[in-house]
Amino acid sequence: QVQLVQSGAEVKKPGASVKVSCKASGYTFTSYGISWVRQAPGQGLEWMGWISAYNGNTNYAQKLQGRVTMTTDTSTSTAYMELRSLRSDDTAVYYCARDYLGIAAAGTSPFDYWGQGTLVTVSS
Amino acid sequence: QSALTQPASVSGSPGQSITISCTGTSSDVGGYNYVSWYQQHPGKAPKLMIYEVSNRPSGVPDRFSGSKSGNTASLTISGLQAEDEADYYCSSYTSSSTLVVFGGGTKLTVL
Repeated sequence: QVQLVQSGAEVKKPGASVKVSCKASGYTFTSYGISWVRQAPGQGLEWMGWISAYNGNTNYAQKLQGRVTMTTDTSTSTAYMELRSLRSDDTAVYYCARDYLGIAAAGTSPFDYWGQGTLVTVSS
Repeated sequence: QSALTQPASVSGSPGQSITISCTGTSSDVGGYNYVSWYQQHPGKAPKLMIYEVSNRPSGVPDRFSGSKSGNTASLTISGLQAEDEADYYCSSYTSSSTLVVFGGGTKLTVL
């Protein structure tokens, strides 16, 4: 069965960086894109960006450009999301999510499988 | 402020039908048929309920349906059940550099 298993909770100080992993199993990793979505406590969902596991192409949300980097390691079927220069308003649960429609154009596919979420807390 | 506008809350009794609206612009909801709906129970990851405006993934009950008119998409749940109580989010592809936008979410209460 398809599974996305994320790394554990993190506590970071303002200005630090965090790297969250998302290990995929149960499907051909390189046949799907992966998006990252975050949710601040008690708030709604926010799309952060997308990476093609096929060729590594990325698209990032405009507000995070320059602070976020998404990568994949096809040898381990793992996607990574690194966020730098952390601020208190980056405190959120971070989810990875698989494109439902395989290798679709960035942003056009909904997300069918989600990781369990990783809580990142930014606090001094 | 979210890019797509949803009512903060809706409610209905078991067996009734409810509709949740999702209003955007011609740059997102109105311009593309890439509207999706997600259900999220507390402490859980979202679950895809509707994609491309009105398509249901395998396993989603046909009580859930989607539609779109102009810049507003809608999710209708008929025959409400207690387990439908959750938060619902719409999302859409957008022509801006941020490719995907979500609504602010709607809390559905089953009375």
